[in-house]
Amino acid sequence: EAGVAQSPRYKIIEKRQSVAFWCNPISGHATLYWYQQILGQGPKLLIQFQNNGVVDDSQLPKDRFSAERLKGVDSTLKIQPAKLEDSAVYLCASSSWTSGGDNEQFFGPGTRLTVL
Amino acid sequence: KQEVTQIPAALSVPEGENLVLNCSFTDSAIYNLQWFRQDPGKGLTSLLLIQSSQREQTSGRLNASLDKSSGRSTLYIAASQPGDSATYLCASRGSTLGRLYFGRGTQLTVWP
Repeated sequence: EAGVAQSPRYKIIEKRQSVAFWCNPISGHATLYWYQQILGQGPKLLIQFQNNGVVDDSQLPKDRFSAERLKGVDSTLKIQPAKLEDSAVYLCASSSWTSGGDNEQFFGPGTRLTVL
Repeated sequence: KQEVTQIPAALSVPEGENLVLNCSFTDSAIYNLQWFRQDPGKGLTSLLLIQSSQREQTSGRLNASLDKSSGRSTLYIAASQPGDSATYLCASRGSTLGRLYFGRGTQLTVWP
């Protein structure tokens, strides 16, 4: 079974530029998550999708971050314009969903963003 | 809001030692708790998931326990090996569709 795919793996941009990340979840997984992991910290949830709909985006800086999930499969996360403090690893995860189930999350390799 | 703390932040041990990593959480109303491993430059690999109704889970040399009443979980690694060197993260989940709340991790180094 193929895992969660993310691209690009690395990105270096200057502040005020725009950047986009792509995620392809495990086939059949209804739930998709984007996390931000700043160096030395644990991942923090940015946004969670259930199929096409947003379940939780309470910690997404909506003035500069946006995300969409096309047809309930792939997802893109965009930052426009980027700030220095956005330097982090952006992790995508997916899970199947059953009521009362484990709903274990599986993570992709991440995209390391450096903002200069 | 759930707060997850991991102690120690870093640990360095010789090969063969048994060791314990600690995780504490402030809200005992969790749905499950998960332990992950993260290698440098890589994503997270799930090691063990404990449902709130369970007390422990085992996989090979790894054993994770959960005590909801005290807000604690431990990850026990038996007979450590250099290949176990990585950062270990614990994360709690409050509901079936809820987000994961992560600790900062314990950076483990096992030297030959």
